[in-house]
Amino acid sequence: ETGVTQTPRHLVMGMTNKKSLKCEQHLGHNAMYWYKQSAKKPLELMFVYNFKEQTENNSVPSRFSPECPNSSHLFLHLHTLQPEDSALYLCASSQESLLPGRGNTIYFGEGSWLTVV
Amino acid sequence: AQSVTQPDIHITVSEGASLELRCNYSYGATPYLFWYVQSPGQGLQLLLKYFSGDTLVQGIKGFEAEFKRSQSSFNLRKPSVHWSDAAEYFCAVGPQTGANNLFFGTGTRLTVIP
Repeated sequence: ETGVTQTPRHLVMGMTNKKSLKCEQHLGHNAMYWYKQSAKKPLELMFVYNFKEQTENNSVPSRFSPECPNSSHLFLHLHTLQPEDSALYLCASSQESLLPGRGNTIYFGEGSWLTVV
Repeated sequence: AQSVTQPDIHITVSEGASLELRCNYSYGATPYLFWYVQSPGQGLQLLLKYFSGDTLVQGIKGFEAEFKRSQSSFNLRKPSVHWSDAAEYFCAVGPQTGANNLFFGTGTRLTVIP
């Protein structure tokens, strides 16, 4: 139990489908993230939310649409994806702080394996 | 520019042998350093982190890492590897305050042979 729960764990979708990934954190954190992990590439930060506000969009295509209704929940809405979007999508959370050393430790969920066919 | 280099893509060790995984970083400010482990099909689990103070930090599962500022390195070590340590290991560097944007290395895959 990592404190960050992702559903579904596995998703297969067609290129014309619309689906969503869900993430919930039980750690009382105020920042949440989506990362993409593809084979043989470093983890790519996609989106960052602090206190429900999006603070970073790392040049992610618009076919990925995040939603953060509150500090505990984060969604990634998927629409008209491409096969190259197949990857492990990791949700994470942290307690952002302006004080050195008081935060900035990111805790990850177990990921959602996405296959686009 | 910020970056993390893990020069070893794949390492194989015998069970009971010692282990050292290398990590070098490039970061403009004082870094916050992490090691994460990922078992097959799983997310990333935090092994240990370094912020300041003692440059030798202890983590979970018997792992430790040493921060060497002069070498810009943060190598992970374990004196005796167990078969359950087989996994992918990621080094990451990030800011000590403010927005989180961890830079990850490409990972080192560890195979443990009996």
